[in-house]
Amino acid sequence: DSGVTQTPKHLITATGQRVTLRCSPRSGDLSVYWYQQSLDQGLQFLIQYYNGEERAKGNILERFSAQQFPDLHSELNLSSLELGDSALYFCASSTRTSGIQETQYFGPGTRLLVL
Amino acid sequence: DQQVKQNSPSLSVQEGRISILNCDYTNSMFDYFLWYKKYPAEGPTFLISISSIKDKNEDGRFTVFLNKSAKHLSLHIVPSQPGDSAVYFCAASAWRAGNMLTFGGGTRLMVKP
Repeated sequence: DSGVTQTPKHLITATGQRVTLRCSPRSGDLSVYWYQQSLDQGLQFLIQYYNGEERAKGNILERFSAQQFPDLHSELNLSSLELGDSALYFCASSTRTSGIQETQYFGPGTRLLVL
Repeated sequence: DQQVKQNSPSLSVQEGRISILNCDYTNSMFDYFLWYKKYPAEGPTFLISISSIKDKNEDGRFTVFLNKSAKHLSLHIVPSQPGDSAVYFCAASAWRAGNMLTFGGGTRLMVKP
């Protein structure tokens, strides 16, 4: 158990809908990262938050957004869903964001299926 | 442009023997390298890491070697056990760039009893 929790574990929805994925980082970790694992693209970085502030963006679509709350949990919002958004979404956390080499610990993921 | 590559999609090894998983990278800014193990429908589990200032790091049955001049790293598992069967991902990060991970495509390791 990495200490990172994600809910829900599974999500089935229809095209055009909007969903919210939730992540709670390890105790004491201030930095949260979101990754997407799809069949054709592998594991890809989406977005990073540190202590409530967005720090970096990767291959994140404009239809997707995220935020980190004062209690440090984070939510990834996916809107106008398309079939191609079906994937595993992982959250990872680490203590800091930069200036030091750090290991990220991953949650169990949310499997999203868009029908 | 794949900055981190794992050229072997699969590897089959006999129990008790050595498993060697390889990874190549192209970005010279990467200064921290990690190996994760992943089972289906689970999150990646951290195994071992190495800083770019080192060329070897060992943790029990797992050893990671880094060859900076060749931009190559490898994970050695000795002895291999059936429970090691999983997909292994190599990942790299640069602390100046915020530490986000760039992953290789993974290698599926099968350890046969």
